[in-house]
Amino acid sequence: KAGVTQTPRYLIKTRGQQVTLSCSPISGHRSVSWYQQTPGQGLQFLFEYFSETQRNKGNFPGRFSGRQFSNSRSEMNVSTLELGDSALYLCASSSADRALIAGANVLTFGAGSRLTVL
Amino acid sequence: DQQVKQNSPSLSVQEGRISILNCDYTNSMFDYFLWYKKYPAEGPTFLISISSIKDKNEDGRFTVFLNKSAKHLSLHIVPSQPGDSAVYFCAARRSTNTGNQFYFGTGTSLTVIP
Repeated sequence: KAGVTQTPRYLIKTRGQQVTLSCSPISGHRSVSWYQQTPGQGLQFLFEYFSETQRNKGNFPGRFSGRQFSNSRSEMNVSTLELGDSALYLCASSSADRALIAGANVLTFGAGSRLTVL
Repeated sequence: DQQVKQNSPSLSVQEGRISILNCDYTNSMFDYFLWYKKYPAEGPTFLISISSIKDKNEDGRFTVFLNKSAKHLSLHIVPSQPGDSAVYFCAARRSTNTGNQFYFGTGTSLTVIP
């Protein structure tokens, strides 16, 4: 089955602009998470959506927001872009529909959206 | 607050030898630990995991060891192959009533020299 699809793959914005990134999860996966990857910081958790509801949120300012649609597709938005927002934004989907399940809930990642803020 | 730490940014190993990647964590509430592998221009891909109630899990050339008392885990790759050259991320899962949250380390770039 098709993997996690993220669009666009690359984009360049200027400070102050806003950006919307899209993620289509694996068919049947209801949980979508977003991560920011920057050099030296690893993958920083942004937020997780499940059945159109934000379940968890990382320590990012309110400029970072997201949503999930009824078909599980998700978007994240960053407003008033800053130079430090330049990063690879990764989306991951998983099939878990309960908080506590046997076995590791494996995240399947997309290839990411590379954002450059000038 | 980095709850999962990979203190070695890079590692070089000769082909055929063992690669050992290390990871430390601080939160005793983590119930699963995972390793992901990432090639340039691709997303991370799941490699192997271990439950917090186990101390070892093996899958082919990959073995993960967990030392809960030391809050330390390691990934062993034997024998190492040039195709293993990638960035390896250690991750830990914490389960809550509102879902699972994953914490990732900063990654270790492994280079396997032919």
